Amino acid sequence: DQQVKQNSPSLSVQEGRISILNCDYTNSMFDYFLWYKKYPAEGPTFLISISSIKDKNEDGRFTVFLNKSAKHLSLHIVPSQPGDSAVYFCAASRGNSGYALNFGKGTSLLVTP
Amino acid sequence: DVKVTQSSRYLVKRTGEKVFLECVQDMDHENMFWYRQDPGLGLRLIYFSYDVKMKEKGDIPEGYSVSREKKERFSLILESASTNQTSMYLCASSDNTDTQYFGPGTRLTVL
Repeated sequence: DQQVKQNSPSLSVQEGRISILNCDYTNSMFDYFLWYKKYPAEGPTFLISISSIKDKNEDGRFTVFLNKSAKHLSLHIVPSQPGDSAVYFCAASRGNSGYALNFGKGTSLLVTP
Repeated sequence: DVKVTQSSRYLVKRTGEKVFLECVQDMDHENMFWYRQDPGLGLRLIYFSYDVKMKEKGDIPEGYSVSREKKERFSLILESASTNQTSMYLCASSDNTDTQYFGPGTRLTVL
């Protein structure tokens, strides 16, 4: 049963525009959310995270928004760059789960020049 | 910087062979994880470990076992490899926070 869902398998955005990647979750016990970025033939790299006590976290061009009532989070990339082209995974954890993460299936972002 | 290394980037094995995938982290992290990544399925947790000699099943442990004899090393074992275990295998580690750091992955092909 997929508890973290990324319903868009792919997204294409022009360079300089905003990229918005979405993620939904079903388990109300999740209290920490993360985004990872993955290039082909490499391991995922941590991008940004947010605790359930916040609704926004910003780090440079990357901002994550959390809407707990809707069980929805999104990653905004502004401005998008060609080097941002990668697969983005949303992940969630419960505080007492021993730090095991539940991952979504990923969204492949293509930023075109 | 956290460094997680995996013993092989690419591996080809035959059906029925015993396969060992090794993972080493250099940051004294308590927690270590094994995932597999398949197209359209994302990352699925196979096993994880909180401490030396401790292990917990993840979502898809069938056909796999693990070993953690030292804190820095976490091994994934395929007792008898099958073609449906062809996949990208990813190891990760974390201290007692939620952020996991991943190795580069091992692309395993079982013929």
